[in-house]
Amino acid sequence: QLQLQESGPGLVKPSETLSLTCTVSGGSISSNIYYWGWIRQPPGKGLAWIGSTFYSGTTHYNPSLKSRVTISVDTSKNQLSLKFSSMTAADTAVYFCARHYYGAGSNVHMDVWGQGTTVTVSS
Amino acid sequence: SYELTQPPSVSVSPGQTASITCSGDKLGDKYASWYQQKPGQSPVLVIYEDKKRPSGIPERFSGSNSGNTVTLTISGTQAMDEAEYYCQAWDTNTVVFGGGTKVTVL
Repeated sequence: QLQLQESGPGLVKPSETLSLTCTVSGGSISSNIYYWGWIRQPPGKGLAWIGSTFYSGTTHYNPSLKSRVTISVDTSKNQLSLKFSSMTAADTAVYFCARHYYGAGSNVHMDVWGQGTTVTVSS
Repeated sequence: SYELTQPPSVSVSPGQTASITCSGDKLGDKYASWYQQKPGQSPVLVIYEDKKRPSGIPERFSGSNSGNTVTLTISGTQAMDEAEYYCQAWDTNTVVFGGGTKVTVL
């Protein structure tokens, strides 16, 4: 059974860069079918997509966050990573990693999610 | 940027049918998905490709897509269905979520 587990610092100072890791178990991140990505959820608010990547390096980013985000895959460790620069209090959120299915046309959905990790931005 | 609009809340009595709408420009030309999220938990995919149910999702969950609106229907709503529901679509290489609908089972 595929499982995703996020890890990283729970507290980040303003202006710093957040680094999160998502470890994939029970399956390969080098799949030819799936992308892997990140979604966040500020306290009391809705879901916001950050971006996704294919194991070969193809990436898609939320245009509003693209300048601050880097998503990559380490196939040797079966891990997905997120780097988010210039963090502010507005970036305080639960960060989820998720497996993305990209099908024909506009058929894109997230079928497996991690439990999420809470990140607080504060000095 | 593309936007999906959902009603903030829907109330339903146990055993009755709940319908949650999600609207967006030319949404009928895209595939939509729905996620259920209970407090403190990760979202769970309940509908994909407009109307398909993942394995393990009860048959009372169904979806439809017509025109600019997609609809998630919960038939015979149970107390355990009380949750936040999000629609989602793909547009111009971007995943877009609706704002979410809180379903309350009264």
